Amino acid sequence: TQLLEQSPQFLSIQEGENLTVYCNSSSVFSSLQWYRQEPGEGPVLLVTVVTGGEVKKLKRLTFQFGDARKDSSLHITAAQPGDTGLYLCAGEGSGYALNFGKGTSLLVTP
Amino acid sequence: KAGVTQTPRYLIKTRGQQVTLSCSPISGHRSVSWYQQTPGQGLQFLFEYFSETQRNKGNFPGRFSGRQFSNSRSEMNVSTLELGDSALYLCASSDYYEQYFGPGTRLTVT
Repeated sequence: TQLLEQSPQFLSIQEGENLTVYCNSSSVFSSLQWYRQEPGEGPVLLVTVVTGGEVKKLKRLTFQFGDARKDSSLHITAAQPGDTGLYLCAGEGSGYALNFGKGTSLLVTP
Repeated sequence: KAGVTQTPRYLIKTRGQQVTLSCSPISGHRSVSWYQQTPGQGLQFLFEYFSETQRNKGNFPGRFSGRQFSNSRSEMNVSTLELGDSALYLCASSDYYEQYFGPGTRLTVT
């Protein structure tokens, strides 16, 4: 099983602050996906990164895939309360399964 | 396109009973995966179906089973429910390697 470790586990910040969450593995992935999940709902796909060193931007969110394709990061600029949620990274496991990290729970207070 | 739908959204069952959960994938998607999400273990892969065939199975006991119909709709069944089966059960449909999740079924076993 290709394990994905996410850090930090919890993050509580004030509106306007910047933050970075990390997703690390000892395994190489052909791609990594980032999801955001709100309480009681399913995860929503934010982005897929495929190429080592790739950087993708989604409004105030910046995603980076490590050169060796073993790690990824998500940076949020000027966080807003609407960014609150559980951020999950996922990479392909055996067959057609996704292996998920345990997530970073983000709380942004006004 | 309509998203992934899951029914029911909430379910309360008693230990020893069995339960069937339903998932309708995004139109045109032929792959359906099921995941169990708990606070302690995070998202764990149950199984994946493609064109009515199970292609991959996670590390869960035989009490957990599933099937897929010719219209790609899928069901999962849990027999002889245990307290530890209380979880959010998520279905995801895929047309390649990106998975799109439904809102989940919250199962509570008492």
